[in-house]
This record gives sequence, C-alpha cells and structure tokens, in this order.
Amino acid sequence: RKEVEQDPGPFNVPEGATVAFNCTYSNSASQSFFWYRQDCRKEPKLLMSVYSSGNEDGRFTAQLNRASQYISLLIRDSKLSDSATYLCVVNIGGADGLTFGKGTHLIIQP
Amino acid sequence: GAVVSQHPSWVICKSGTSVKIECRSLDFQATTMFWYRQFPKQSLMLMATSNEGSKATYEQGVEKDKFLINHASLTLSTLTVTSAHPEDSSFYICSASGQGARTGELFFGEGSRLTVL
Repeated sequence: RKEVEQDPGPFNVPEGATVAFNCTYSNSASQSFFWYRQDCRKEPKLLMSVYSSGNEDGRFTAQLNRASQYISLLIRDSKLSDSATYLCVVNIGGADGLTFGKGTHLIIQP
Repeated sequence: GAVVSQHPSWVICKSGTSVKIECRSLDFQATTMFWYRQFPKQSLMLMATSNEGSKATYEQGVEKDKFLINHASLTLSTLTVTSAHPEDSSFYICSASGQGARTGELFFGEGSRLTVL
C-alpha cells in the first residue's frame, strides 16, 4: 500500500462549483499534514496546514480524520485560477519525514 | 515569506557532461535542504537531505557518486549531476527549512528542468 494516496483526477469542475478531494495515508504515526499546490512546471507552494480540529482559509477548508487516516480539501466557489495540482503531504516525524502524494489534478472550466 | 532561489531554471546538455544546480535561501538560514526529482505526472521524490556542514543523506536507490550534493553554507546548496544521461532528464527541485519554520513547512526553489540529449 502506498504511503500517501490521492486520486490523480483530473477533476473537471465548472467555475463557481464546490469541489472536494481526499488523501489517505498509511502510517498511523503521522504527525502533521499539509496541502501544497503545484502549478504546471512550477514548484509546489504551501496552501495550508491541516489541523486536527479542521481549519479554514477563505474558500479553502481542510480537515483531518485520524480514525480513518485521511485528510480532505474542500474548495468553495471555485475560480479558474484554482486549476492546479494539489499535493497531499504527510510528515511522519522529523524534518526528513515528508512524504508527498502524487497529486490531484484540478481543472476549473469556465 | 521566505524565498528560495534555484538556478538555472532550464538546462540542456549533452550526454556525458556534468550539470550543477544551485539552491539559495535568500532571507533565512537554511539548516536543512532537500533535493527532489519529479518525472512527468509523477510525485516529488526525495533524493537526498543535506544539513549544512555535513554529508548529505541519500535516499535508497539514489547514487551519491552521480548526484553530488554540497551544502557548504547556510544559504547555499548545490546538486551536481555527473556524467548525465538521457534518463536523468527530469525536474529537479530544492527546498529548505530553516530555524523557526514549522515542521513540514518547506520553501521550494523554482525548480530546474534538465534535458539530457
């Protein structure tokens, strides 16, 4: 089983819609979780951290379910500029414990 | 926010030559730097971790004699792909974490796209 698994998509979503995708992780000892955004041929950029209590940043909401070992990202009122690949990142501990998912490709259509 | 600069952005070289990629932290001291490789439609794969002033730790399957990493200062790390071959063509990205950064918060360079002919 892969350590961090994501649906690669692509998710084709009309502008203004709400879209959500999940990421599952296999190591129950994972300590921290993040969503990164990567545009085509660009470096990843931190979108948001994921806290146990869930957190929201504008149109983006991230949640963590430790019992089922997954994190989710919800995007409301999607914009064309949200089109990107969203990478799930899990830290199993220590600065070198980051594991990246393969990413979910999101396409917002006008 | 913190800035990491990577150079060059694009490089095309002949098979057998060596290519050096630089990664600089511009406004913070990067105690740890990471080098990743990303093939098309694949995830970022960690190649090695380097701490300033010490030898890099390479991931399994990454040849340390082929991918030379030097982290001589708190603001500069270099990756040299020696005797590059077409299969080394990839997107190489560095990232850094520094003092005070949250665990898992990495600052990425812009990436270097290597094409070996």
